[in-house]
Amino acid sequence: EDQVTQSPEALRLQEGESSSLNCSYTVSGLRGLFWYRQDPGKGPEFLFTLYSAGEEKEKERLKATLTKKESFLHITAPKPEDSATYLCALKVSGTYKYIFGTGTRLKVLA
Amino acid sequence: AAGVIQSPRHLIKEKRETATLKCYPIPRHDTVYWYQQGPGQDPQFLISFYEKMQSDKGSIPDRFSAQQFSDYHSELNMSSLELGDSALYFCASSTQGGETQYFGPGTRLLVL
Repeated sequence: EDQVTQSPEALRLQEGESSSLNCSYTVSGLRGLFWYRQDPGKGPEFLFTLYSAGEEKEKERLKATLTKKESFLHITAPKPEDSATYLCALKVSGTYKYIFGTGTRLKVLA
Repeated sequence: AAGVIQSPRHLIKEKRETATLKCYPIPRHDTVYWYQQGPGQDPQFLISFYEKMQSDKGSIPDRFSAQQFSDYHSELNMSSLELGDSALYFCASSTQGGETQYFGPGTRLLVL
């Protein structure tokens, strides 16, 4: 069964304290793995798309990496404005839909 | 840059009523997706359309139907509303060959 699991469920960091969020998956055929940021009551905001193991993408304080079984979202020197829920989703070959993980709620304290 | 537009942004209905949610995709995007997100939950895929044809189907109740029109906008019709239908409903769009979906701001539906 195609499945996405994110950990931890919640994470509290001090400003400047770097950390990583994990997204592990099992999938019959991976078309892409996606990271989104979601603020309360708003739509998911696209961050990264990763297609193959070994791929890395960076944007400001965020870096996403992909292996054959998991993806990491590394947050370097986070700021309070990075507080949000980070969602991982994958797209299975032969389908149009995303399968989402349950997200990691990140809180960065000043 | 233009984003996905959803209307209305908020909707309050009584049980057994009907509701229609609208989605206007990003210009030149021809594929539309609908998701339902309950409180504290991840988005659940409902249905998608490409070139006005249903392209994939998820956990969409039989009480719900959707369609995509010639201008690529989509409408989600919900009938016989139940309390459990209260949720955020997101529309996303992409190009047919593109893998990345871009989400709208959502419609918050409250069923009383």
